Amino acid sequence: DVKVTQSSRYLVKRTGEKVFLECVQDMDHENMFWYRQDPGLGLRLIYFSYDVKMKEKGDIPEGYSVSREKKERFSLILESASTNQTSMYLCASSSPYGYTFGSGTRLTVV
Amino acid sequence: QKEVEQNSGPLSVPEGAIASLNCTYSDRGSQSFFWYRQYSGKSPELIMFIYSNGDKEDGRFTAQLNKASQYVSLLIRDSQPSDSATYLCAVSRTGRRALTFGSGTRLQVQP
Repeated sequence: DVKVTQSSRYLVKRTGEKVFLECVQDMDHENMFWYRQDPGLGLRLIYFSYDVKMKEKGDIPEGYSVSREKKERFSLILESASTNQTSMYLCASSSPYGYTFGSGTRLTVV
Repeated sequence: QKEVEQNSGPLSVPEGAIASLNCTYSDRGSQSFFWYRQYSGKSPELIMFIYSNGDKEDGRFTAQLNKASQYVSLLIRDSQPSDSATYLCAVSRTGRRALTFGSGTRLQVQP
């Protein structure tokens, strides 16, 4: 089974901090994604990557950046955390048969 | 108009009944359709996918796709309390590598 591992289950950060969310997959998938999930808004795509060092903005990229230096690792960076970035962050890796999600990181910005 | 629409629910069914979850999409060129189940506090997990018009069965689950009418549905037969979760519909749209998700339908199966 594909495994997607997110480094933190819960995080609490202060406003203005730089925050790194890490995601690692073990199936050599080319495509990896970062979504955030908020009540009533569903899953919204922040960024995705289709190869090492290749990335594309999703629907809500403002305030975020990403890094993919190795195929198995895709990092989401909050340049200066704000309270409106409090959310559940989900990383996914994909095959033609669908996504496999990590367990999610619940980030609270105070 | 949302790109992928689902009734938020909750949809309440008695144990043993058939639960019917519906999803409509706006992009007529969409090609692949996925159903995910998400338990409270957990991440989504893939139930099944469908590419072609018609029905696809997997155990108690049946996905139905009608591209002409732009809807996809998920039937759960012999519903169990353990099926209580939010069900997310996701669509692979033309020219996009990423899936577009609906907001999900919350299903409650009453014992």
